[in-house]
Amino acid sequence: EAEVAQSPRYKITEKSQAVAFWCDPISGHATLYWYRQILGQGPELLVQFQDESVVDDSQLPKDRFSAERLKGVDSTLKIQPAELGDSAMYLCASSSLQGTLNTEAFFGQGTRLTVV
Amino acid sequence: GESVGLHLPTLSVQEGDNSIINCAYSNSASDYFIWYKQESGKGPQFIIDIRSNMDKRQGQRVTVLLNKTVKHLSLQIAATQPGDSAVYFCAENSEYGNKLVFGAGTILRVKS
Repeated sequence: EAEVAQSPRYKITEKSQAVAFWCDPISGHATLYWYRQILGQGPELLVQFQDESVVDDSQLPKDRFSAERLKGVDSTLKIQPAELGDSAMYLCASSSLQGTLNTEAFFGQGTRLTVV
Repeated sequence: GESVGLHLPTLSVQEGDNSIINCAYSNSASDYFIWYKQESGKGPQFIIDIRSNMDKRQGQRVTVLLNKTVKHLSLQIAATQPGDSAVYFCAENSEYGNKLVFGAGTILRVKS
């Protein structure tokens, strides 16, 4: 069964350091999402791609966060410099389109980031 | 593993009973809704979805009800099992490309 792949599963980094997360969506899925989930809360959208284009990054802290999906397939989310408040689970999800209609988003297992 | 949902409402049910989890959504323009189950330390797992042209949809042991008048969504789980224990999230979306927005979540605990 096709899955969304994320790596690493766990990352510990010191504050002010740079950190990067990688996501490989389900093959053929044009829409890719990056979410941040703080313990005890629901996932919060950081950035949404349609193919290689960003369609929503209104909640992405652009002074320190960046995301790219250069070939419209896999994606990287970067934080530089990391802050203590960035400790969270970072989730990647992908979905396809049926014509113009969205379908359900499938999530990866996430990357648990701890900033010390 | 860690406990997701330290500040979320909790529903406790006896094994074998039916569970009803409720969700109020915010955007009257949303027309596509999804229920997800999230176990500790894992990503959300798709359960069932419903589009706004329907008010009820059934899956295996699960039913989703949509009331657009009051912007309310519910998930009914029949014959709840210990493996159903998790955090449940509703998510709303537009069918035409808007972002998928998650609700606050509910912890379901199944007592044996």
